[in-house]
Amino acid sequence: NAGVTQTPKFRVLKTGQSMTLLCAQDMNHEYMYWYRQDPGMGLRLIHYSVGEGTTAKGEVPDGYNVSRLKKQNFLLGLESAAPSQTSVYFCASSYSKAAGGLNTEAFFGQGTRLTVV
Amino acid sequence: DAKTTQPPSMDCAEGRAANLPCNHSTISGNEYVYWYRQIHSQGPQYIIHGLKNNETNEMASLIITEDRKSSTLILPHATLRDTAVYYCIVRAFSSNDYKLSFGAGTTVTVRA
Repeated sequence: NAGVTQTPKFRVLKTGQSMTLLCAQDMNHEYMYWYRQDPGMGLRLIHYSVGEGTTAKGEVPDGYNVSRLKKQNFLLGLESAAPSQTSVYFCASSYSKAAGGLNTEAFFGQGTRLTVV
Repeated sequence: DAKTTQPPSMDCAEGRAANLPCNHSTISGNEYVYWYRQIHSQGPQYIIHGLKNNETNEMASLIITEDRKSSTLILPHATLRDTAVYYCIVRAFSSNDYKLSFGAGTTVTVRA
């Protein structure tokens, strides 16, 4: 029962490098989200997806791209990393239909700590 | 989504009940109240949610006022492990509501 798994857990990038963060969920959830959290601040929504093949911008989408080619995976890409993107990144998933009704609570991964130098 | 207002911080004695208030005066009829918490450096964790009736689970109780403009999360016997940031969120699950947005939350410190 893995829930939401984020890969990698830690990464150090040089300015201008690119990377992809992977989020995988095994709960058959429809919605998936990427957030960033800076020290002493709350979570800010970067991008989200309401289903396979669909994505949408959140509050702070600039500098990031996302893809959801498979329902269980949501990828966050940084094409040219900048020091301002140093942060902890959280992925979440939610919303599924079950025999007893709707499951609407969100489940979060344990985060990816990214440092851009 | 309706906006919520929470106190920035509060202290609680270990073993006592912790009552966390949340104001959501602009809540719509189809919006639910959700509570999450984030223990230091971990991903947020779902606690409980409700529409208009009071709810209880193994973690907490949720009391929603009759006019639904405010709610209180109750941790019945706070422990040191309950020290965390607690987020109150209101959201609907209509066909146009997908975002899950977090505010600043309440930093709860449980003291021995």
